[in-house]
Amino acid sequence: EIVMTQSPATLSVSPGERATLSCRASQSLGSNLAWYQQKPGQTPRLLIYGASTRAAGIPDRFSGSGSGTEFTLTISSLQSEDFAVYYCLQYNAWRTFGPGTKVEIK
Amino acid sequence: EVQLVESGGALVQPGTSLRLSCAASGFNFDYYAMHWVRQAPGKGLEWVSGISGNSKSIGYADSVKGRFTISRDNAKKSLYLQMNSLRGEDTALYYCARQSGTAVLHYYFDYWGQGTLVTVSS
Repeated sequence: EIVMTQSPATLSVSPGERATLSCRASQSLGSNLAWYQQKPGQTPRLLIYGASTRAAGIPDRFSGSGSGTEFTLTISSLQSEDFAVYYCLQYNAWRTFGPGTKVEIK
Repeated sequence: EVQLVESGGALVQPGTSLRLSCAASGFNFDYYAMHWVRQAPGKGLEWVSGISGNSKSIGYADSVKGRFTISRDNAKKSLYLQMNSLRGEDTALYYCARQSGTAVLHYYFDYWGQGTLVTVSS
């Protein structure tokens, strides 16, 4: 079973600042990693798949990078609507979510 | 338009059983593998189970293996989750999710239902 970790658990950022979220896998995923955003009371929203491809309609301030076991989601300039919990998902071997990173207003 | 509508959630006692359903519409259901994902109150997302379009490939999270059974009826465009020997830690919102392709591996989730709530408590 692939274990996913995310850091930090909580990230306090001011609007307009850059946010960098990390996701690590216990074994190589290639590029089979996605990022989701979830706000309270809402279903998860796909942001990134294939480690670095933005999903349809996702603003270009969201970018993903990495391969193998180390991945990063970067939000270049945080907007008010970006404060949420972010999950990574590996889909190289069945599925495993990371525990999430909460991005909160500083 | 892709739609996934879950049903069957309820308040049940520990040790009992429950069957969840997910009605799909707006896409070629039998082409896509489908999954169940759950989220306990205030907690993160947890993949529960997945099934290929032809039901030949099935997987479970260790936490539910031996207790839950996933199935599908392509003629009815429906996905199911039979949950037996329910425990308090199974309390969660259960989402039905479509993956973005047909093979069970190497595809992410692209559509989600709104979820159905299962509460296990005496």
